[in-house]
Amino acid sequence: GENVEQHPSTLSVQEGDSAVIKCTYSDSASNYFPWYKQELGKRPQLIIDIRSNVGEKKDQRIAVTLNKTAKHFSLHITETQPEDSAVYFCAAQITGNQFYFGTGTSLTVIP
Amino acid sequence: DVKVTQSSRYLVKRTGEKVFLECVQDMDHENMFWYRQDPGLGLRLIYFSYDVKMKEKGDIPEGYSVSREKKERFSLILESASTNQTSMYLCASRVGGQGNEQFFGPGTRLTVL
Repeated sequence: GENVEQHPSTLSVQEGDSAVIKCTYSDSASNYFPWYKQELGKRPQLIIDIRSNVGEKKDQRIAVTLNKTAKHFSLHITETQPEDSAVYFCAAQITGNQFYFGTGTSLTVIP
Repeated sequence: DVKVTQSSRYLVKRTGEKVFLECVQDMDHENMFWYRQDPGLGLRLIYFSYDVKMKEKGDIPEGYSVSREKKERFSLILESASTNQTSMYLCASRVGGQGNEQFFGPGTRLTVL
């Protein structure tokens, strides 16, 4: 099956700085890559996703980039705010129904 | 809005007990999933169902079984609970096919004593 690795496991940034979380995947057949945010005590929620036919996608302060050749994708958060503090999960989906999740990154934004 | 609900937020059981965790979604989604979430291990798939009465093993199915008799309901069963099954259990659902978002339930924190 697919193997998704996520780094770093914890990340602290000053408010206003940028944060970058990276994921690698093993199966070149993976073609859908969502990112989920999980605030403390809450359920994971989709914040952005990218398909394999696109190299970059942006939504306000959040962007995701995909490098299919290197089999890695990254989440970029600019102008971080305290409410961005959460655990972020990347995932990869091969054709079919199963998703493979990374182990999560705990992001802390220091005011 | 998609709504995915789970029968309990917190559950405490004893070793050897049979445990039922229920998940209900109201958006007619074909696919439903059960994950286990542990610190440092992320979300690990236990079982998923792509349609009524259909199920597939995920990465960690040992010690668990599932049931999906109706489209909106997906049950996770621990036949004989053990302490190493103490965890957060998350249910999710989605429209079938490629590239569709998963919607998660609020989670059940299960403690097995």
